[in-house]
Amino acid sequence: AQTVTQSQPEMSVQEAETVTLSCTYDTSESDYYLFWYKQPPSRQMILVIRQEAYKQQNATENRFSVNFQKAAKSFSLKISDSQLGDAAMYFCAYHPSGTYKYIFGTGTRLKVLA
Amino acid sequence: DTGVSQNPRHKITKRGQNVTFRCDPISEHNRLYWYRQTLGQGPEFLTYFQNEAQLEKSRLLSDRFSAERPKGSFSTLEIQRTEQGDSAMYLCASSPLYGPEQFFGPGTRLTVL
Repeated sequence: AQTVTQSQPEMSVQEAETVTLSCTYDTSESDYYLFWYKQPPSRQMILVIRQEAYKQQNATENRFSVNFQKAAKSFSLKISDSQLGDAAMYFCAYHPSGTYKYIFGTGTRLKVLA
Repeated sequence: DTGVSQNPRHKITKRGQNVTFRCDPISEHNRLYWYRQTLGQGPEFLTYFQNEAQLEKSRLLSDRFSAERPKGSFSTLEIQRTEQGDSAMYLCASSPLYGPEQFFGPGTRLTVL
């Protein structure tokens, strides 16, 4: 079965510091996408960053970067220079290519301390 | 703003009543998804439309749930004879036919008393 595991229910980071959120997944597929979505309180989910499995280079979007380890089935999100606006639930999601299926983890609540 | 919209944003109902939610996807998106999200959990897939065709339904979608997408535009999700266990956030997302990213709406929060 395809599963996504986020083992950190909650994380805290000091403003301007760096934090890493963990995600592991289980699949026998070789072609897929991985995503990190951010869900601020009472606001809609937005895409933070995506990674194509066939790409060896880790994706980067401004202060957000991933560490994608395909063999280990690990996909962590690093947030640099954390800001108060980064406080939210973060969901890791897996999507096999050519399918409709998206599987989400249980989320990590990130608190940013001033 | 041409993002995904959902109405109503909040719905409080009594057990046994029927409720209907609406989702308006991004206009050029062929694919539409419904998810349910309970407290402390990630979104769980309910159903998927490609244009007007409902191509997949999760086992979570009991007989009391029905979804439609007439003419491949907006979609409705109806829950009949609501139960307290139906209380959750119902999320709608859309995506183009080609391309992996889903775009989410703000959700409808259902509370069944």
